[in-house]
Amino acid sequence: GNSVTQMEGPVTLSEEAFLTINCTYTATGYPSLFWYVQYPGEGLQLLLKATKADDKGSNKGFEATYRKETTSFHLEKGSVQVSDSAVYFCALNLDWGTSYGKLTFGQGTILTVHP
Amino acid sequence: DVKVTQSSRYLVKRTGEKVFLECVQDMDHENMFWYRQDPGLGLRLIYFSYDVKMKEKGDIPEGYSVSREKKERFSLILESASTNQTSMYLCASSLPPRAEKLTDTQYFGPGTRLTVL
Repeated sequence: GNSVTQMEGPVTLSEEAFLTINCTYTATGYPSLFWYVQYPGEGLQLLLKATKADDKGSNKGFEATYRKETTSFHLEKGSVQVSDSAVYFCALNLDWGTSYGKLTFGQGTILTVHP
Repeated sequence: DVKVTQSSRYLVKRTGEKVFLECVQDMDHENMFWYRQDPGLGLRLIYFSYDVKMKEKGDIPEGYSVSREKKERFSLILESASTNQTSMYLCASSLPPRAEKLTDTQYFGPGTRLTVL
């Protein structure tokens, strides 16, 4: 079956540190890949996405590259801020023709950034 | 901006009660979804709907049912609440995926934290 595995958290960093959150997936077909973020007390919101191999998604200083050869979509940011403290979810969506746009989520990684 | 609203942020119910969770979206999206979120398990799909009166089971439908009588509204029903249904419930909506894969972003509501005593 399809699955997404994220690095276990929680992750605690100091402000301006470099961030990597690992995400690998297992899927048949050619999925689209997503990172969603959930700030405290809120629902999830899309952070970035990539729809085909070698695509790079980017937003708010975060980046992730769709690596088909390693089935990975690691999230990176060069300098985190306190306001980046949130839960980050990696997700995949299989070929649109068969899935109605259903997402499969990883377990989430809690990020805490200290001043 | 897409707006997805959920009827309650917090609910406390007793075991055996019938519970209704309501979700409304204002962007004329065909697809709507109900997830539950539990620590260490991420989000798990309960049910989804791709059109009015149409529904499909997700990964964990047991103990739940849904209703979609109008396009903008998708209700999750716990027929007889149990303590293992204590969780955060998230609703989402999206357009149907298109060939360009540009419209498969899901938009989420703020969630309802349900406690069953």
